[in-house]
Formats: sequence, C-alpha cells, structure tokens
Amino acid sequence: ETGVTQTPRHLVMGMTNKKSLKCEQHLGHNAMYWYKQSAKKPLELMFVYNFKEQTENNSVPSRFSPECPNSSHLFLHLHTLQPEDSALYLCASSQDGSLSDTQYFGPGTRLTVL
Amino acid sequence: QKEVEQDPGPLSVPEGAIVSLNCTYSNSAFQYFMWYRQYSRKGPELLMYTYSSGNKEDGRFTAQVDKSSKYISLFIRDSQPSDSATYLCAMRENSGYALNFGKGTSLLVTP
Repeated sequence: ETGVTQTPRHLVMGMTNKKSLKCEQHLGHNAMYWYKQSAKKPLELMFVYNFKEQTENNSVPSRFSPECPNSSHLFLHLHTLQPEDSALYLCASSQDGSLSDTQYFGPGTRLTVL
Repeated sequence: QKEVEQDPGPLSVPEGAIVSLNCTYSNSAFQYFMWYRQYSRKGPELLMYTYSSGNKEDGRFTAQVDKSSKYISLFIRDSQPSDSATYLCAMRENSGYALNFGKGTSLLVTP
C-alpha cells in the first residue's frame, strides 16, 4: 500500500450506531488531519494531530471523536450521528504541519447516516 | 462574507482549449496558495503550490497569485479529457494548520 489509505470506503449507519473510520499513511509523515466534504460546501478541517498530539479541534461536535495511536494511524469514532453528518470524510497527512508543508489526501469514506 | 469564493461551474471546454480557473478571497493574511484536483470518488491531489504573489509554471499548468487584488488563477494549456475533474483552490495563513478551501470548480473537457 502506498500513500494514504482509508477504510471503509463507504459506510451506511443509523443514528444510534457506533462506527469508526480508519486512516493509514505510508509516507513517513508526522501530521494527520480529518476533513469533512459536504455537497456544495468547501472542505472543512475537523481535527489535526501533529506528532500524535491533537493540535486543532475546529469546533467539531462531540459525537465525532478522533484517536491517533501513532503517527501512521488516525481514527474517527462516530456515535449518535445526525443525517446532516452524511458527507465524504477525508484523511490527509503531511510531513510535520509546517507552513510550507504539502497535505496528501486519502480517497475518503463516503458516510450516509439514515 | 465567505473567505474563499470559487465559481462551481460546471465549465465545459473542447479538447485543446486553454482553461482559466479562478478564486477570490477576502483574508489578506493568506500567504500560501494551492490548487488541488479531485477526480470523482477520489481524494484531492495537489497540483500547484505558490507562496505569496507571482507565477509558477509546471508543464501545462500555470498558477498566478495577485495578492493586491486577492485573486488567484490556474491556467491549463492544451486541455485533455483526462483533465476533467473538480479543481479546488486552497489558502493558508502564516500560522496554524488550516487550509481554507473554495467549493471547487467542475471542469469537463470534451473530445
């Protein structure tokens, strides 16, 4: 596997379910990100981890819970979601979060909340 | 007022045409400017990265930044059907991690 991978690619869940999204990067990077991409809206940054420490939480509701056990893996735990949370969830990684850093994106998980 | 404005299109051009994609922004603190390409069912991939004002060329792609007008452009020369995708502009200040994205412009290059 190369680059940034995400699993599952598609997920359908009810509002009472608990599920997790997984991201893995094979680039040797130290910073990882979760973004939300909704139809007709710009990409929204949700969380940033740099060297496994959460450095940014962009006012995301607590029903989204990130976890970064090491620099290569990032999870997004989901519980009691709402239908408006249906979107494409993108993971990205970069070398170290510095200003000239380039973010590399995974293919995303298409989430549908019923 | 939205920070980054981008016309969603769709923009349809014949193969071989020169394509011009644009974004405007309101935050004068933006210093880093990027263009990403996103194919259907894929994540965005970085095309061009520019710091401050000026031009940058890479093959058929040219990125321009005019900070005085708060306006950035991406030009695609000799467009190909494989260029059909959504193009996202993104910008970043001199601090923090956030990339501020436009909504994306959908481009279709017809053979």
